[in-house]
Amino acid sequence: GAGVSQSPRYKVAKRGQDVALRCDPISGHVSLFWYQQALGQGPEFLTYFQNEAQLDKSGLPSDRFFAERPEGSVSTLKIQRTQQEDSAVYLCASTTDRVDTEAFFGQGTRLTVV
Amino acid sequence: QKEVEQNSGPLSVPEGAIASLNCTYSDRGSQSFFWYRQYSGKSPELIMFIYSNGDKEDGRFTAQLNKASQYVSLLIRDSQPSDSATYLCAVNPPPGNTPLVFGKGTRLSVIA
Repeated sequence: GAGVSQSPRYKVAKRGQDVALRCDPISGHVSLFWYQQALGQGPEFLTYFQNEAQLDKSGLPSDRFFAERPEGSVSTLKIQRTQQEDSAVYLCASTTDRVDTEAFFGQGTRLTVV
Repeated sequence: QKEVEQNSGPLSVPEGAIASLNCTYSDRGSQSFFWYRQYSGKSPELIMFIYSNGDKEDGRFTAQLNKASQYVSLLIRDSQPSDSATYLCAVNPPPGNTPLVFGKGTRLSVIA
């Protein structure tokens, strides 16, 4: 596609509910990143993939967070048993083959846990 | 600990003035440096990137890098109200080809 597409744009979850956030990167982009951005803060790295391989998941805040990219294209970030502190905007970005080049961001998913 | 530090602002400048945004980073071996602009409620978009010491100019924007001082800045000349946004500094820490580490951003307000 023309850009990075994320869905849903907004998600309200009750505490304890599981959620799944989807990212469709730019076609042909090898690297895909997930970031979490709290209000008034910069994006915080969660995890990244090269093709289907998850190369770094050091930023995932707990074992309730899980990401996958099974076919090296679309990625899903799953959060189990959501907590209020999970409320944030979840940004997905993609780059070509190298990681240290311009990252193109999607519009993000704003998650609110009530 | 990978850290990228920015003054959160807000930085207020009058229309037509030069806005100067600053960023320091902790990892001396960092190799690639980026400035992103983020409008409220929108996603970050790339303004400039710089890899080498010195200045890099693109229109009204100039990025400056000083690796010895671990300092990178962004100058915006002839600031416009449409430049009002949060500016995020991002760094690729060593060994390179690593995901971006972002600062918290500086909020810029250009007053007409």
